[in-house]
Amino acid sequence: AQSVAQPEDQVNVAEGNPLTVKCTYSVSGNPYLFWYVQYPNRGLQFLLKYITGDNLVKGSYGFEAEFNKSQTSFHLKKPSALVSDSALYFCAVRDGDGQNFVFGPGTRLSVLP
Amino acid sequence: NAGVTQTPKFQVLKTGQSMTLQCAQDMNHEYMSWYRQDPGMGLRLIHYSVGAGITDQGEVPNGYNVSRSTTEDFPLRLLSAAPSQTSVYFCASSYSSRTGDGTAYEQYFGPGTRLTVT
Repeated sequence: AQSVAQPEDQVNVAEGNPLTVKCTYSVSGNPYLFWYVQYPNRGLQFLLKYITGDNLVKGSYGFEAEFNKSQTSFHLKKPSALVSDSALYFCAVRDGDGQNFVFGPGTRLSVLP
Repeated sequence: NAGVTQTPKFQVLKTGQSMTLQCAQDMNHEYMSWYRQDPGMGLRLIHYSVGAGITDQGEVPNGYNVSRSTTEDFPLRLLSAAPSQTSVYFCASSYSSRTGDGTAYEQYFGPGTRLTVT
């Protein structure tokens, strides 16, 4: 069965510093990996996805993620954090044989001015 | 495009009452799904549909019912509300990926319905 872990409930980073939000996964078959962001009282918004190819994926709002097959990880990164990046971030996986997504528990990012 | 719309935004029910959460999308997506979001547990899949007339259970289907009579609409019915169903409910839709074709489409989410059962 697929599963997603986000080992940090909360990540705090100073504005202007680089940020990383961690995600590890477990799937059978090829992994299709996604990152979503949720702002307060809003639905989830798609940030980026990894299907195949280059291990570094670029997405919306300056975010990128690095796929590492040997470590089964898909960490979200941004070179310079903004206060407006403060939100709840979800990693999700869909395995190659299924239609459905499994979401991680979420990581709350706080960017401090 | 309105995207994915959900109504109502907020609802308070008494234990034992029934209600329907509405979800509609105007993107001609085959795949639609319902999730509930609870603190510390991420999103859990309740039911999903890969096309009109086809529905299936997700991870937490008990106490919920769905139907898909059109491509656009995917209502979620609570048959007899219980306090354990207090949650935020999200509907999502996407194009439908075919097994083994190397595609994976992202889901688009509605704004959510906050449900409280007393």
